[in-house]
Amino acid sequence: ILNVEQSPQSLHVQEGDSTNFTCSFPSSNFYALHWYRWETAKSPEALFVMTLNGDEKKKGRISATLNTKEGYSYLYIKGSQPEDSATYLCASSGANNLFFGTGTRLTVIP
Amino acid sequence: DVKVTQSSRYLVKRTGEKVFLECVQDMDHENMFWYRQDPGLGLRLIYFSYDVKMKEKGDIPEGYSVSREKKERFSLILESASTNQTSMYLCASSVITGNSGNTIYFGEGSWLTVV
Repeated sequence: ILNVEQSPQSLHVQEGDSTNFTCSFPSSNFYALHWYRWETAKSPEALFVMTLNGDEKKKGRISATLNTKEGYSYLYIKGSQPEDSATYLCASSGANNLFFGTGTRLTVIP
Repeated sequence: DVKVTQSSRYLVKRTGEKVFLECVQDMDHENMFWYRQDPGLGLRLIYFSYDVKMKEKGDIPEGYSVSREKKERFSLILESASTNQTSMYLCASSVITGNSGNTIYFGEGSWLTVV
């Protein structure tokens, strides 16, 4: 079992603010780091998969970076909107499985 | 559009009942997974399967079994439901084992309450 930690557990931001949260994972035997976005009553939706140290991925206002040597990834949201409200999960790959953090619950206040 | 479908969204069962949670994927994926989600604990893997009739225990298999008779269908079975199995259950699928950069696709979840 890989110990994946996310912080903060929850976050409230005003509409228009930019925000970021952290995922930390064991740096040894690293395969890949996944970010998912999970809205209430819907399926978790894949945002990014990153494999290389220094990787940066972007999708619209959301971006992510990866540092495999020190074992962390950041997810950034620029100009938060109410529709960004969701739980953001990160997961580190084992050989056959993903090990998930407990998520960061983001609420964007209009 | 990829699709993982869990047949029951909300179930209420009695202690001791046998419970089946069904999951179907239409992407011809080899891997299928069952997770449970509990507050403060994150998603925990119960069982996964990398091929028809194959299964592997995950992190918390006790009290559960699975069945994969067809590639597209993966069933989670609670032989004798207990109150500590009240949870949200997520099914997922992905392409072949070994490429850990592959995205896992999730269903919408099944909320099970055992009374």
